[in-house]
Amino acid sequence: KQEVTQIPAALSVPEGENLVLNCSFTDSAIYNLQWFRQDPGKGLTSLLLIQSSQREQTSGRLNASLDKSSGRSTLYIAASQPGDSATYLCAVRLKLSYNTDKLIFGTGTRLQVFP
Amino acid sequence: NAGVTQTPKFQVLKTGQSMTLQCAQDMNHNSMYWYRQDPGMGLRLIYYSASEGTTDKGEVPNGYNVSRLNKREFSLRLESAAPSQTSVYFCASTRKSFNSPLHFGNGTRLTVT
Repeated sequence: KQEVTQIPAALSVPEGENLVLNCSFTDSAIYNLQWFRQDPGKGLTSLLLIQSSQREQTSGRLNASLDKSSGRSTLYIAASQPGDSATYLCAVRLKLSYNTDKLIFGTGTRLQVFP
Repeated sequence: NAGVTQTPKFQVLKTGQSMTLQCAQDMNHNSMYWYRQDPGMGLRLIYYSASEGTTDKGEVPNGYNVSRLNKREFSLRLESAAPSQTSVYFCASTRKSFNSPLHFGNGTRLTVT
């Protein structure tokens, strides 16, 4: 059974720091992995999606890497800002059949960036 | 472009009452999903619809029913609400391609007393 774990559960850093959020999964037979951001009382916003054949994806100050063989992904945030404060979730996508799939979510890392 | 719209945003029910959560997307997406989010348990899939006219059970379907009314709309119904269904419910959608990211609504916070 695929399980997705995110460590740490919470992180508090001063503004300007570079930081890494971790996501691990137990079964390497994933189709892709997606990182989301969730602000309090809001839905999830997609940040980056990495296909299983890719090693990394970048968007602005965000860089996500994927190592399928070790079952790990990291989300790197450069020069963190207070506006980055949110909960970050990763989700692995499994292909069940030709037209159905399944996302399995981690429980998230709650990030606080203080001025 | 509104994306994924959910109504209502908040709801309080008494045990045994019924209600329908509404979801609509304007991105011409084929697949739609209902998740619930509970503290410490992450998001769990309740039901999904891979395409218009089809629905399938997810991980936690008991106590729920769904209707894919058309390509835009996917509703979730609680026939007889229970306190265990207190949660935040999210609707999501994506294009048919597995390579496409999921887009989420802002959620419905449901409390069952």
